[in-house]
Amino acid sequence: AQSVTQLDSHVSVSEGTPVLLRCNYSSSYSPSLFWYVQHPNKGLQLLLKYTSAATLVKGINGFEAEFKKSETSFHLTKPSAHMSDAAEYFCVVSDLYKAAGNKLTFGGGTRVLVKP
Amino acid sequence: AAGVIQSPRHLIKEKRETATLKCYPIPRHDTVYWYQQGPGQDPQFLISFYEKMQSDKGSIPDRFSAQQFSDYHSELNMSSLELGDSALYFCASSLWARGSGNTIYFGEGSWLTVV
Repeated sequence: AQSVTQLDSHVSVSEGTPVLLRCNYSSSYSPSLFWYVQHPNKGLQLLLKYTSAATLVKGINGFEAEFKKSETSFHLTKPSAHMSDAAEYFCVVSDLYKAAGNKLTFGGGTRVLVKP
Repeated sequence: AAGVIQSPRHLIKEKRETATLKCYPIPRHDTVYWYQQGPGQDPQFLISFYEKMQSDKGSIPDRFSAQQFSDYHSELNMSSLELGDSALYFCASSLWARGSGNTIYFGEGSWLTVV
């Protein structure tokens, strides 16, 4: 079984300040972890992915996330927020070794508001 | 780069009607997933296919069915539509690679409104 908890449903930051989106996961297996972003009325765009290589993962648009097995966390950060970062962010877990077609389990999402 | 293509992008149906959504995965991807996202909710997994066979099944109503065809495109058929079926339906695709996990790419979604 697997589950994902995003600790903040809403995050508000000022443009140019750091962004931190918190995610904790639970998995019976070796997890694959993802962050997706969804802009209003748009599809889900992959920001970054962790499998089993480097624990610090760099993604697109300046985002990065660190996998911490001891804390079962996969927090997403960005050093400097931009207005275009305003969106909904989903932390997602999947089973790394399970058969093809294994479903993704989504966290509840974090809505990011960026203030000018 | 080619992405996941979904059609139609918007669909309005009346209660008890039938709707069909189509999904064309990224070329050479062998796995297709369907997700349903209600207003203000996170995506819920419906069903997935690997190499044209059903792979995993989630909270898909019995009124819904899906299949993956020989060209790897997939269709989601929804019958006896209810107001609660109004949602954004995502299709996603991936290329299975054991040990490195699936990287799943989503389409833009199909908006279904049931009136």
